[in-house]
Amino acid sequence: DTVLTQSPALAVSPGERVTISCRASESVSTGMHWYQQKPGQQPKLLIYGASNLESGVPARFSGSGSGTDFTLTIDPVEADDTATYFCQQSWNDHTFGAGTKLELK
Amino acid sequence: EVQLVESGGGLVQPGRSLKLSCAASGFTFSNYGMHWIRQAPTKGLEWVASISPSGGSTYYRDSVKGRFTISRDNAKSTLYLQMDSLRSEDTATYYCATGDTYYGYTYFDYWGQGVMVTVSS
Repeated sequence: DTVLTQSPALAVSPGERVTISCRASESVSTGMHWYQQKPGQQPKLLIYGASNLESGVPARFSGSGSGTDFTLTIDPVEADDTATYFCQQSWNDHTFGAGTKLELK
Repeated sequence: EVQLVESGGGLVQPGRSLKLSCAASGFTFSNYGMHWIRQAPTKGLEWVASISPSGGSTYYRDSVKGRFTISRDNAKSTLYLQMDSLRSEDTATYYCATGDTYYGYTYFDYWGQGVMVTVSS
């Protein structure tokens, strides 16, 4: 299985820029996607194909990377962005990272 | 508006069966691959199974192969997951999701609200 590693948690202040990383155990090319999940809700697609913004998602969100190292950037962060962010690869079946919990100071 | 509504969850004893349904609306169901993804309490997400638009191809994670069966009824715009020989480790919220592709890479663009399955004696 392709393992995706994410930092467990981050805390930032509103208005700041935050980068959330995801490292794959093997190259997944650009088959990486990002989701946001708020407590008690289903996940929501933010970014597909490593860097493509899903329709309706604010332009404050962006994605980058290829191969094994990927980044989700939120700039500027807003209070409503408090959530857990998951990366998902679809190069080799489908696996998800364990999630990065974003908290606002 | 795309809507996916899961049903059929509940408490079931180990070794028993349960069948989940996902009623879809707001899009042409027969044009899209569909997926089941689960999330154990306070845990991360885990892909479970996928089915092609026609239903002719199905895919499963290793831990559910031979126990779970994904199927669809395009006339009813409904996705199913038959779960047999359930184990405690199958306890999770189960989400159905639509799949789209980008240069062959599948991502999950719409998700249902999820249905809870608890396997316990």
